[in-house]
Amino acid sequence: DGGITQSPKYLFRKEGQNVTLSCEQNLNHDAMYWYRQDPGQGLRLIYYSQIVNDFQKGDIAEGYSVSREKKESFPLTVTSAQKNPTAFYLCASSISGPSNYGYTFGSGTRLTVV
Amino acid sequence: AQSVTQLDSQVPVFEEAPVELRCNYSSSVSVYLFWYVQYPNQGLQLLLKYLSGSTLVESINGFEAEFNKSQTSFHLRKPSVHISDTAEYFCAVRVGGSQGNLIFGKGTKLSVKP
Repeated sequence: DGGITQSPKYLFRKEGQNVTLSCEQNLNHDAMYWYRQDPGQGLRLIYYSQIVNDFQKGDIAEGYSVSREKKESFPLTVTSAQKNPTAFYLCASSISGPSNYGYTFGSGTRLTVV
Repeated sequence: AQSVTQLDSQVPVFEEAPVELRCNYSSSVSVYLFWYVQYPNQGLQLLLKYLSGSTLVESINGFEAEFNKSQTSFHLRKPSVHISDTAEYFCAVRVGGSQGNLIFGKGTKLSVKP
């Protein structure tokens, strides 16, 4: 079955460390997205990519980095520059362009700084 | 810029009672509208969507939403809720025919009590 896989489900990071969250999809979607979710704040867009080897900053990109070397993969790195990284991170994908009728989401990664 | 307002952050309701989760958007052009549901520690799942045609759309588990262009609303309703409907619900909007991303509301937590 097609879908999006995020790993790991839970991740613990020490202060000052970089950590990478994985997102893989086999839906043949061109576009992929990373969101951060905090209680009461809904979903905030971190980065998105409409095509391989290209990506754009979202509303809260500071302290994060991404790459899009393959259509299927869109990893997110939370760097030490992110001051408050503890959150639930969601990856999504969609068809790109005007026929984009909605997103398919992964099951999320909960990152905790210890 | 588009925006989505979910008027209630939390909605407590007793089992078998009716419920309405409110969503208003700001756009003067045609839009695509979505409701997503999120169970604890999971990703978002598409509940229903309005793209065009009939203004009343239904999901397979008894939810429905009505697109009201004059009031720029897309409220979600269910005539009789179950304990299993306890979740967070997100409304989202996208300008029709555009390359733009989905814009999400901040979510409404539905809590169904026995």
